[in-house]
Amino acid sequence: DTEVTQTPKHLVMGMTNKKSLKCEQHMGHRAMYWYKQKAKKPPELMFVYSYEKLSINESVPSRFSPECPNSSLLNLHLHALQPEDSALYLCASSRGGETPNYGYTFGSGTRLTVV
Amino acid sequence: GQNIDQPTEMTATEGAIVQINCTYQTSGFNGLFWYQQHAGEAPTFLSYNVLDGLEEKGRFSSFLSRSKGYSYLLLKELQMKDSASYLCAVRSFTGGGNKLTFGTGTQLKVEL
Repeated sequence: DTEVTQTPKHLVMGMTNKKSLKCEQHMGHRAMYWYKQKAKKPPELMFVYSYEKLSINESVPSRFSPECPNSSLLNLHLHALQPEDSALYLCASSRGGETPNYGYTFGSGTRLTVV
Repeated sequence: GQNIDQPTEMTATEGAIVQINCTYQTSGFNGLFWYQQHAGEAPTFLSYNVLDGLEEKGRFSSFLSRSKGYSYLLLKELQMKDSASYLCAVRSFTGGGNKLTFGTGTQLKVEL
């Protein structure tokens, strides 16, 4: 299995809703990432998990809450979002550690619309 | 912080060769990646450089000069399906670990 699977593919939520994005990989990768991508812009890093521990938080607002239940799963919990949070949310994974771990693998993303 | 710059748009002819440049300024440099992204899809890995020089992979080649903070992606024998956004991404090591930061992206249009 050489894929990163993200669910759902599309999500529409109100500003008072609570929802979660899910990401799963079975490549034995030990680093997982959340990126946010607005239209016609590059992906922006949000969070990095390394060996199931949060290692980097790029000053993301607390209405986004990441969780890594185990080495294969990564969640992003959403609460009280704003319309400007509408974007494509991409999950990625890599081998992790200090080894030359080239080849980050990206999921196909969740298209989020906040209304 | 980091600064990664690419041309915004490029146009080339089918069958031709195109070079997409990327300049970067970063601390803790730990490798440079090139990704291709079609609209609405995930980025897909094209190439990786960590040492100076040229890496060749089929129709795609990538070059890195660490002292100049410069890389390019060379696409040969262009095909219509190569029309996409090309993203230069720099991996850097911080106190929290490695992170991959994307450049501004270059939208390539291949014409007949």
